[in-house]
Amino acid sequence: DGGITQSPKYLFRKEGQNVTLSCEQNLNHDAMYWYRQDPGQGLRLIYYSQIVNDFQKGDIAEGYSVSREKKESFPLTVTSAQKNPTAFYLCASSSARVQETQYFGPGTRLLVL
Amino acid sequence: QKEVEQDPGPLSVPEGAIVSLNCTYSNSAFQYFMWYRQYSRKGPELLMYTYSSGNKEDGRFTAQVDKSSKYISLFIRDSQPSDSATYLCATPGGSNYKLTFGKGTLLTVNP
Repeated sequence: DGGITQSPKYLFRKEGQNVTLSCEQNLNHDAMYWYRQDPGQGLRLIYYSQIVNDFQKGDIAEGYSVSREKKESFPLTVTSAQKNPTAFYLCASSSARVQETQYFGPGTRLLVL
Repeated sequence: QKEVEQDPGPLSVPEGAIVSLNCTYSNSAFQYFMWYRQYSRKGPELLMYTYSSGNKEDGRFTAQVDKSSKYISLFIRDSQPSDSATYLCATPGGSNYKLTFGKGTLLTVNP
């Protein structure tokens, strides 16, 4: 079964803590993306990666970091510098040939304790 | 001006109604447009993908692009309660990597 998996489904963060959200895909897609979704805000791009070992900031990268060591994996770390991390985080991927068509994972809901 | 704008609704219709969901976009040079459906607490799924202008039909769903007015629409015929979801329009605009999304319209189809 091809697709994108995200874990965990729910994540709780304490003040001053860094947390890492996992994203894995077995679609053999070159490009991967992280979005944040807040109520009434739509999806906003945090980071994207078009190829292994390379990634670029999106519109709201402050307080977040990523790595792309493997084609299949694109983890997102929410650092303590992100002051308002409560949101629904979505990972997506796309083929390099048709980058406009992005496929999404099921999402991770991050809550602050 | 934002690349794509969408009325957030919410929209509530009876079962069997024809639903029209709409977005406007800022640049007449944009050519690719997508509609995503997102059920509550789930990731968006690609519903329709259109290139340039005209209509594209898939079952009960029709996507329409009107380049003269920079308007994109999604029509749902014979709407069902299972169509209740948030619908997001999107376009890469002038980018070759980034999608810009509308804020989404929450649709409820009442049995």
